[in-house]
Amino acid sequence: LAKTTQPISMDSYEGQEVNITCSHNNIATNDYITWYQQFPSQGPRFIIQGYKTKVTNEVASLFIPADRKSSTLSLPRVSLSDTAVYYCLVDSNTNAGKSTFGDGTTLTVKP
Amino acid sequence: DVKVTQSSRYLVKRTGEKVFLECVQDMDHENMFWYRQDPGLGLRLIYFSYDVKMKEKGDIPEGYSVSREKKERFSLILESASTNQTSMYLCASSLWDVGAESTDTQYFGPGTRLTVL
Repeated sequence: LAKTTQPISMDSYEGQEVNITCSHNNIATNDYITWYQQFPSQGPRFIIQGYKTKVTNEVASLFIPADRKSSTLSLPRVSLSDTAVYYCLVDSNTNAGKSTFGDGTTLTVKP
Repeated sequence: DVKVTQSSRYLVKRTGEKVFLECVQDMDHENMFWYRQDPGLGLRLIYFSYDVKMKEKGDIPEGYSVSREKKERFSLILESASTNQTSMYLCASSLWDVGAESTDTQYFGPGTRLTVL
């Protein structure tokens, strides 16, 4: 399983765009990149997944460069309710969904 | 919406007790997982199951066992609870679409905070 590296914590202010970068130098050809969000006292929930280039949904965007050795989760105009831990996972379907969660990035949004 | 429920939100047990943590999902998912989450250590996989009566060890299986007699239910068992098993336990499930290229989303339960005294 590809190991991921993320910043331990980030601070932001309401209304700003937040970009969280994840490094995964050993990503394999079949691996997808998935981001989860976890609020205190809750289980993680899926945000977005991608393989290459850019993916966008109603919550976030995911930017993946051509070499796929890193990815960036972009949260547009964050609010206080976006304060959470964000996990980057790299995995392939051949692993039966057994993904490895790292330590995640704790995002704190301030007023 | 997928719903993953766990039998208790909070549980307090004594050292040496046998502890059962139950997890039920309602979406007919093949895969089910048990994680523990500790400050500074992220989520660590204890066991997972990809079918009824099938199980595989995760990263930290020592001191735990699991049971999956029905597709919707996955139980985590602490045969003899110890204080170092005090933690938040999270159950998850996912659909395993073997033909799909991407990985399947894991749906998590609310967690059980277990304290072993």
